[in-house]
Amino acid sequence: DAGITQSPRHKVTETGTPVTLRCHQTENHRYMYWYRQDPGHGLRLIHYSYGVKDTDKGEVSDGYSVSRSKTEDFLLTLESATSSQTSVYFCAISESLSGTGYESDQPQHFGDGTRLSIL
Amino acid sequence: QQPVQSPQAVILREGEDAVINCSSSKALYSVHWYRQKHGEAPVFLMILLKGGEQKGHDKISASFNEKKQQSSLYLTASQLSYSGTYFCGTRNAGGTSYGKLTFGQGTILTVHP
Repeated sequence: DAGITQSPRHKVTETGTPVTLRCHQTENHRYMYWYRQDPGHGLRLIHYSYGVKDTDKGEVSDGYSVSRSKTEDFLLTLESATSSQTSVYFCAISESLSGTGYESDQPQHFGDGTRLSIL
Repeated sequence: QQPVQSPQAVILREGEDAVINCSSSKALYSVHWYRQKHGEAPVFLMILLKGGEQKGHDKISASFNEKKQQSSLYLTASQLSYSGTYFCGTRNAGGTSYGKLTFGQGTILTVHP
């Protein structure tokens, strides 16, 4: 158990409203990721973090922002939700431990997901 | 650019074998394989590092040919529990990756009694 908790697990909201999803981990991993999963597209990286206050964009970052003020929490914000952002969102951590990004390969472990519907 | 998985779907009877392929247009450092059951999170199966390594996990094994930028997942003597969607995740060679993976679109595997 990688100790990853996503909240909320389900959310329905309206177009134009801001939405924040939370990912919480208990094992002090350095690397954290937000993905969205849509049929036929697999898992697509939205943003990732390589440390406190260190974040960068993934392949589908438009309309999303992230923050990481503590090692254990990685927040994903939809600034003004649109129907195209209806999806299942997964947070993941990587067990990578040491200082650089190019180190021994480690698995990613996923939270249980958040099902977000935007009407 | 996402790696391409083939086939998109496969249906088996218990005891049959299957192969799932993952192909990238970029030079790869490693390939990860994950399985996802319906309504659940993806679960890590194995990592293949460059060097043509073949790994096993019960009756599930995989190979990685870095020259061809391809990996294959082999499921032998399939069981009902193997049903799910299989994803490959690739890590590109060179540079600082921060552990990032690019996932294929998935292969849906269904095993019938």
